[in-house]
Amino acid sequence: EAQVTQNPRYLITVTGKKLTVTCSQNMNHEYMSWYRQDPGLGLRQIYYSMNVEVTDKGDVPEGYKVSRKEKRNFPLILESPSPNQTSLYFCASSWSGLGTQYFGPGTRLLVL
Amino acid sequence: AQSVTQPDIHITVSEGASLELRCNYSYGATPYLFWYVQSPGQGLQLLLKYFSGDTLVQGIKGFEAEFKRSQSSFNLRKPSVHWSDAAEYFCAVGAGRGSTLGRLYFGRGTQLTVWP
Repeated sequence: EAQVTQNPRYLITVTGKKLTVTCSQNMNHEYMSWYRQDPGLGLRQIYYSMNVEVTDKGDVPEGYKVSRKEKRNFPLILESPSPNQTSLYFCASSWSGLGTQYFGPGTRLLVL
Repeated sequence: AQSVTQPDIHITVSEGASLELRCNYSYGATPYLFWYVQSPGQGLQLLLKYFSGDTLVQGIKGFEAEFKRSQSSFNLRKPSVHWSDAAEYFCAVGAGRGSTLGRLYFGRGTQLTVWP
């Protein structure tokens, strides 16, 4: 089954404790992206990747890091999480930057 | 800068009534436009998209949208709403030129409630 998976689905952590949210797709898509969703703000793009080793900033990259060492994986790293990073995070992938994006189920993060 | 405005935060319609969700965008070149739907507790699913050609676009679940360049709009419509259409709807514009290729800008969403 074609899908985008994210882990973990739910995470509670404390300020400053480094964490990684994994994202994996099995569709051989070149493009992957991370978004955060906050009430009343819609989705905002954090980082995206056009291909392996090619990443670029979205609207709200501060406090986040990404890497794309393999085509199928695009982890999101929070080196020192803060409470304002409490949010719902979505990973997405598509054939190209303008193609239909397939979204993962989301990761709900709470930073205390 | 590119932006997307969805003027209606929340819309309530009766089942069987027609629906129109508004979307206005700001983009300097030819936009790539999308409508996504998010059911409660779910990720987003593409309803339809416009890249070029016919300005009336058909999507899944009986939805359609019309691109009007003169009004910078891409409104979503459905002639008869079903209770299962209750969800949050997001309009998005994709940047397709040069260094901004791959950027996707979402509106803040419109929450649709359907009364039986």
